[in-house]
Amino acid sequence: AQTVTQSQPEMSVQEAETVTLSCTYDTSESDYYLFWYKQPPSRQMILVIRQEAYKQQNATENRFSVNFQKAAKSFSLKISDSQLGDAAMYFCAYLIQGAQKLVFGQGTRLTINP
Amino acid sequence: DTEVTQTPKHLVMGMTNKKSLKCEQHMGHRAMYWYKQKAKKPPELMFVYSYEKLSINESVPSRFSPECPNSSLLNLHLHALQPEDSALYLCASSQALSGGPRYEQYFGPGTRLTVT
Repeated sequence: AQTVTQSQPEMSVQEAETVTLSCTYDTSESDYYLFWYKQPPSRQMILVIRQEAYKQQNATENRFSVNFQKAAKSFSLKISDSQLGDAAMYFCAYLIQGAQKLVFGQGTRLTINP
Repeated sequence: DTEVTQTPKHLVMGMTNKKSLKCEQHMGHRAMYWYKQKAKKPPELMFVYSYEKLSINESVPSRFSPECPNSSLLNLHLHALQPEDSALYLCASSQALSGGPRYEQYFGPGTRLTVT
């Protein structure tokens, strides 16, 4: 079965510090895409960052970066200089090439302490 | 512009009512999706439309009826719902179904549905 595991149901970090959210996945496919989505209390799912599995270079979007370890099937998200607005539920997801269905993890609730 | 809009934001309906949820995007995306999300859970895929044709139905009960009138609009018609259908309903769109450029899905803000 294709699964995504987020082992940290909740995490908290002090404002301005760095936090890493973990994600592992299980697939036998070699061509796929990985995503981190953020869902604040306002409910809207916002795409934070994406990574193509064929790319070795880790994706970066401003304060957000990933550590993609393909052999280990690991895709962690690092948030630098955490801000109050980063407080949200974070979902890791992947999409297999040729498939139509995003597979989501169970989510990690991130709290930012002022 | 990566905006997907959904109306209404909130909906309360009785089990005998008929109502519709609406989703709209003007990004030229050709794939549109309906998800159901319960509290503290990830979204669950319900339907996928590709080029205005239904391509995936995740064994959703017939009391949920999707419709794609054109490439920008997606509706979800609701009839004879049960209290357990109360949830956040999210719409999403993507330029392509999978692979290649622009495969990522962009979500709307959702409709909070309560069935009484």
